[in-house]
Amino acid sequence: GAGVSQTPSNKVTEKGKYVELRCDPISGHTALYWYRQSLGQGPEFLIYFQGTGAADDSGLPNDRFFAVRPEGSVSTLKIQRTERGDSAVYLCASSFGTSGSLSYNEQFFGPGTRLTVL
Amino acid sequence: QKEVEQDPGPLSVPEGAIVSLNCTYSNSAFQYFMWYRQYSRKGPELLMYTYSSGNKEDGRFTAQVDKSSKYISLFIRDSQPSDSATYLCAMNAGGTSYGKLTFGQGTILTVHP
Repeated sequence: GAGVSQTPSNKVTEKGKYVELRCDPISGHTALYWYRQSLGQGPEFLIYFQGTGAADDSGLPNDRFFAVRPEGSVSTLKIQRTERGDSAVYLCASSFGTSGSLSYNEQFFGPGTRLTVL
Repeated sequence: QKEVEQDPGPLSVPEGAIVSLNCTYSNSAFQYFMWYRQYSRKGPELLMYTYSSGNKEDGRFTAQVDKSSKYISLFIRDSQPSDSATYLCAMNAGGTSYGKLTFGQGTILTVHP
């Protein structure tokens, strides 16, 4: 596809359940990012990958959140024992991870997965 | 206190007006400054990118960065109804944090015909 795709577009779950959110980056982009956006707020950084490895996971709020990118392309954000406070739009972005500052700052975002925890 | 502060608005202007959007920040390590635009139910898209202090112009858009005051601005000239969106400032310290963007809250802009 031409852009970043995220599935599902909407996810409703019950408190305590496990969820997986998927991101397909733009072909050729080596860097992949996850952000969380609550209503009326800007995106909040969670984690980013350079290739298969997590280069910075300092934004993950606690150990219930985990993300993988096993083959350096598709990524999955996993949330265990969901809580109502996890309800938000989860945004994925990708970019070229080559040298040069613009390649990291020009991040191409997907439409997001809207997670609702009841 | 948040690292990046942005007035959420909402801001409503008539078509053709000049719009001024602003952010302040507290982290002096920020050296890359961006403005993203986000339409409803879409992901943000990059509008302007600036490194360090100075001005940058692209069509109807002008971005200004004043690192001494820790203040950045985006000006939109001849605003159009299609400019109606949420505008997010974003910043990056680079170095070991080169992939991490810190966003402001976003300003909701409506341009009415």
